[in-house]
Amino acid sequence: DAKTTQPPSMDCAEGRAANLPCNHSTISGNEYVYWYRQIHSQGPQYIIHGLKNNETNEMASLIITEDRKSSTLILPHATLRDTAVYYCIVRVANSNSGYALNFGKGTSLLVTP
Amino acid sequence: DSGVTQTPKHLITATGQRVTLRCSPRSGDLSVYWYQQSLDQGLQFLIQYYNGEERAKGNILERFSAQQFPDLHSELNLSSLELGDSALYFCASSPPGAALGNTIYFGEGSWLTVV
Repeated sequence: DAKTTQPPSMDCAEGRAANLPCNHSTISGNEYVYWYRQIHSQGPQYIIHGLKNNETNEMASLIITEDRKSSTLILPHATLRDTAVYYCIVRVANSNSGYALNFGKGTSLLVTP
Repeated sequence: DSGVTQTPKHLITATGQRVTLRCSPRSGDLSVYWYQQSLDQGLQFLIQYYNGEERAKGNILERFSAQQFPDLHSELNLSSLELGDSALYFCASSPPGAALGNTIYFGEGSWLTVV
């Protein structure tokens, strides 16, 4: 799996958009970008994933650059409950059995009042 | 609620003992994954099963073993426990088929404390 680089920590004011960057310059053509988050000691929570197009769901938006070497997770209106560690992971997803996710250190996002 | 169920939620045991952690995957998911999270190591992948067969191995110790049963639930067996095995153990599952993105969903974990 391609390695990812994320800033260790970020702050965001409540109600503002949180933009979390991720570099994955060695990503392969068949690797997807996944975002998960982990609120303190809870199970990691799936947020969103994409291959090359931008994606949006009820939780967040994922913007992937045209060369696919970096991406940004956007939480449009951050709340205090969004305080968590956010993980950007790249991995293939073209098999019936699936592949494990390799978690790095992620970005610790602190949303402040 | 991810739909992945883990039991027990908390467990305290002594060094040298053996414990079994249980996981029920989401309905329809054939793959089960086990992860360990300790304070100094982050989330470490241990092992994956797919439809009853071992699919991939990560950093799993020889003292640890797992299996997936015909009803697709899985058990992680930890033996000869040491203080350093104290950690959160997560089970996760994913649906078959690449079209679904093989998205992995995690349970809430089992806290193991070895004293």
